Amino acid sequence: QSVLTQPPSVSAAPGQKVTISCSGSSSNIGNNYVSWYQQLPGTAPKLLIYDNNKRPSGIPDRFSGSKSGTSATLGITGLQTGDEADYYCGTWDSSLSAGGVVFGGGTKLTVL
Amino acid sequence: EVQLVESGGGLVQPGRSLRLSCAASGFTFDDYAMHWVRQAPGKGLEWVSGISWNSGSIGYADSVKGRFTISRDNAKNSLYLQMNSLRAEDTALYYCAKDKGGYFYDHHAFDIWGQGTMVTVSS
Repeated sequence: QSVLTQPPSVSAAPGQKVTISCSGSSSNIGNNYVSWYQQLPGTAPKLLIYDNNKRPSGIPDRFSGSKSGTSATLGITGLQTGDEADYYCGTWDSSLSAGGVVFGGGTKLTVL
Repeated sequence: EVQLVESGGGLVQPGRSLRLSCAASGFTFDDYAMHWVRQAPGKGLEWVSGISWNSGSIGYADSVKGRFTISRDNAKNSLYLQMNSLRAEDTALYYCAKDKGGYFYDHHAFDIWGQGTMVTVSS
């Protein structure tokens, strides 16, 4: 059972938009920065969004992040078949003994 | 090129030890916190441990506390994870990951990941 809650799967057609939610609490998302990662099959995770809504250089603006209260959302527009991957949210959690990083359980994106 | 390369994984019996290493290149290693993150086969990501730039602050997941020890050698641009009393549930791909900041408790994101080293705990 992950500390952060994500839907197990989402799907949409090429060219469409999809959103992935990440729900937490005041000890994690509510008071800390959220990041999002894309993990293509058989590869290491890749940073997509940091500090809730910032994109590293090289990440297209089709990817966006937002945060409100104790929830965060990853948005992907103009879906491409190459976007099929697992997506994870992550943040710091101060409720753990001495604190620690927590992740969502991951969301598998299928581009139909 | 910014790069993290893990090594040291393998097959080990329950109760035995293993030491993982991560060699960093392409960035100023001693400016940043570093972490270990693992992923069991077919499962999600799990943070294991983090260490600040100067080794002054260290943290562990409850699942490994007392058994694993993280360390770094800034002169060698290297991160380590000493894993003792290994259990079957420690079987996973272990990733070395760079933090965007210098203190692991001021976590912003993991912006660089290695390709991982596989640890299998089985008799």
